[in-house]
Amino acid sequence: IAGITQAPTSQILAAGRRMTLRCTQDMRHNAMYWYRQDLGLGLRLIHYSNTAGTTGKGEVPDGYSVSRANTDDFPLTLASAVPSQTSVYFCASSDGDFGGGEQFFGPGTRLTVL
Amino acid sequence: GEDVEQSLFLSVREGDSSVINCTYTDSSSTYLYWYKQEPGAGLQLLTYIFSNMDMKQDQRLTVLLNKKDKHLSLRIADTQTGDSAIYFCAEKRADRGSTLGRLYFGRGTQLTVWP
Repeated sequence: IAGITQAPTSQILAAGRRMTLRCTQDMRHNAMYWYRQDLGLGLRLIHYSNTAGTTGKGEVPDGYSVSRANTDDFPLTLASAVPSQTSVYFCASSDGDFGGGEQFFGPGTRLTVL
Repeated sequence: GEDVEQSLFLSVREGDSSVINCTYTDSSSTYLYWYKQEPGAGLQLLTYIFSNMDMKQDQRLTVLLNKKDKHLSLRIADTQTGDSAIYFCAEKRADRGSTLGRLYFGRGTQLTVWP
């Protein structure tokens, strides 16, 4: 069982370019999340999806978009990258409100925008 | 306040106990969590406590919950160098206008264990 996979592991990107970060889970979890982690700021929620076909905005959604066409995949797109989007991005999933609602995290994507 | 608060740094000697503190925001939060992040990795759930409990013990880990003060702590007994990591406190609470809960994280406490 892989859990959650993210791709790429790291990426250096020129400002203005479009980039999609991929996230796939094989646990059949209903809910999925995208966070960014920046030094001193902890984890901030970008977008989330409670179930396939629905998405919602988190704390810092500007400049990012997501889609949830099926249960397993939750890609995050930067339409026109800017240097302030340099960060480590984590995808997570959970069974939503079922049980303790534990979130399982992917290994992260380190993105640098120049 | 609106944020989950925790101190940013803690340094202890190997073999001592570590106590990481957290203040959360919503007294109706159902679950409180501690996650651990090792260098270069994602977060992993360390332990969690349901809001109707005051204490939970799991081997070297003890979680204390004070609902009145909205205070959560994680005690690591006999701290080892392998415990060096960032520890995140998180609370599960519902968004405004929604019955669904999601997690709100603190900024993380960097625990450094020195020999």
